[in-house]
Amino acid sequence: RKEVEQDPGPFNVPEGATVAFNCTYSNSASQSFFWYRQDCRKEPKLLMSVYSSGNEDGRFTAQLNRASQYISLLIRDSKLSDSATYLCVVLDERDDKIIFGKGTRLHILP
Amino acid sequence: GAVVSQHPSWVICKSGTSVKIECRSLDFQATTMFWYRQFPKQSLMLMATSNEGSKATYEQGVEKDKFLINHASLTLSTLTVTSAHPEDSSFYICSARDYGYRYGYTFGSGTRLTVV
Repeated sequence: RKEVEQDPGPFNVPEGATVAFNCTYSNSASQSFFWYRQDCRKEPKLLMSVYSSGNEDGRFTAQLNRASQYISLLIRDSKLSDSATYLCVVLDERDDKIIFGKGTRLHILP
Repeated sequence: GAVVSQHPSWVICKSGTSVKIECRSLDFQATTMFWYRQFPKQSLMLMATSNEGSKATYEQGVEKDKFLINHASLTLSTLTVTSAHPEDSSFYICSARDYGYRYGYTFGSGTRLTVV
């Protein structure tokens, strides 16, 4: 099983729709989780951390399910500018190493 | 917030030459920095972990003699691609962790290397 797995997409979603991504991780001891956004030919940028209780930042909601070892990202009222690749990131705290998923590509359609 | 500056943004070099990429943490000290490589439409792959004042730790399959890493200060790490070949053409990105910044990692803007 891959350490961090994501559906590569692409997800083609009309503007204004709600879209959700899931990500599964294999190391049950992982403690820290993040969603990053990467635009084409750009560096990844932190979108939000994922907390056990779930957290929301504007149109974005992240949730963690430790029992099933997955995290999710929900984008409401999607905008054209949301088009990007969304990377699921898990921190291996023992080695202080971050592990990236391969990313999910999102295309918001006008 | 935490800022990591990476230079150059892009570079074109001839086969056989060496290229140095710099990664600086501008407003925090980074005892550890990370170097990644990303090929088109693929995920970021960790190449090595750069430790201030000591030798870098390389991931399996990454040649340490080809990708020289120096982390001489708490704010600067460099990656030198030696004797570059066309297959080394890629997007190289550094990152560092600022424990005071949203508990996440900050990335440099990346260096697009093209070897001709």
